[in-house]
Amino acid sequence: ETGVTQTPRHLVMGMTNKKSLKCEQHLGHNAMYWYKQSAKKPLELMFVYSLEERVENNSVPSRFSPECPNSSHLFLHLHTLQPEDSALYLCASSQEDDTEQFFGPGTRLTVL
Amino acid sequence: EDQVTQSPEALRLQEGESSSLNCSYTVSGLRGLFWYRQDPGKGPEFLFTLYSAGEEKEKERLKATLTKKESFLHITAPKPEDSATYLCALYSGTYKYIFGTGTRLKVLA
Repeated sequence: ETGVTQTPRHLVMGMTNKKSLKCEQHLGHNAMYWYKQSAKKPLELMFVYSLEERVENNSVPSRFSPECPNSSHLFLHLHTLQPEDSALYLCASSQEDDTEQFFGPGTRLTVL
Repeated sequence: EDQVTQSPEALRLQEGESSSLNCSYTVSGLRGLFWYRQDPGKGPEFLFTLYSAGEEKEKERLKATLTKKESFLHITAPKPEDSATYLCALYSGTYKYIFGTGTRLKVLA
């Protein structure tokens, strides 16, 4: 595997389910990010981890819970989501905070 | 408040018809401006980083420029494979990124 990988690629869940999104980067980067991309809206930065410590949390609802067990892996735990949370969730990594980000292919989430 | 606006929202070009995409911004302290390309069903792919006004970067048919208020992505003699959504993003420090809504480019053969 190379670059940034995300699983699953597609996820359909009910509002009462609990699921997790997984991201793995094979680039040796120090920072990892979760973004939400909805139709007609700009990418919204949700969480940032640098060297496994959370450095940014942009007022994201508590039904989204990130976890970064090491510098290569990032998870987004989901519970009791709302239909408006349906979107493309993108993971990215970068070497430093001001360098280019490498994105994964995303997880297309549908909340019924 | 830091803001990014991209225009036009959508653009259709004939193959070989050069044009420019605009990214205008207001920011308290610009640390970097990034351009990405995004194909349908994929994550954004990095194109350029510009750090200071007057800076220019080129890659194949693309050239990015930066002033104190805006950035342009110039596309020279585009081909159908250049069709994608082009995103710009501001970086203002300490992991503060703001993305624009993008320009959807369609190049017709």
